[in-house]
Amino acid sequence: GENVEQHPSTLSVQEGDSAVIKCTYSDSASNYFPWYKQELGKGPQLIIDIRSNVGEKKDQRIAVTLNKTAKHFSLHITETQPEDSAVYFCAAMWSNFGNEKLTFGTGTRLTIIP
Amino acid sequence: DSGVTQTPKHLITATGQRVTLRCSPRSGDLSVYWYQQSLDQGLQFLIQYYNGEERAKGNILERFSAQQFPDLHSELNLSSLELGDSALYFCASSEGLAQETQYFGPGTRLLVL
Repeated sequence: GENVEQHPSTLSVQEGDSAVIKCTYSDSASNYFPWYKQELGKGPQLIIDIRSNVGEKKDQRIAVTLNKTAKHFSLHITETQPEDSAVYFCAAMWSNFGNEKLTFGTGTRLTIIP
Repeated sequence: DSGVTQTPKHLITATGQRVTLRCSPRSGDLSVYWYQQSLDQGLQFLIQYYNGEERAKGNILERFSAQQFPDLHSELNLSSLELGDSALYFCASSEGLAQETQYFGPGTRLLVL
């Protein structure tokens, strides 16, 4: 099955600086890569996603890049703010009509230092 | 707010007992997924239902079962509970089959004493 590795497990960044979280996946058939943000006491919230036919996607201060050859994808957060502090999870999905499973990375606890 | 609701928010019970967790998907979503989140295992996929039918199974124990009802809400039944079953249980929903975007509920925190 799919295996997703995520690094680093913890990350502290000065407010205003950029944060980068990296993930690698094992199944070359995976074709969908979402990123979730989980705040304390809440469920994971989708913040951005990318499909395998796209190399990069941006949404305001958040961007995701995908390298299919190397089987890795990264989350970039620019101009970080205190409200960006949370646990971030990457995930990879192998999707075949009627059969799809989302495998998550182990999470990165991001702390923004004011 | 994702539109996915889960009840109860917290649940405390004893070993050997049985509990039922409930999930209502977003309006219009036909697929429901259950996940377990523990400190040492991260987010683990348990099972998926689509329009009342089981579609995919993950790391779900035989002591656990789920179903999806005609009104599309779902229940996860956990029986013969053990201390190690203490975790956060999340439900997620998506529009249908081959719909990758999943929206998560707020979770049920289960504590087995």
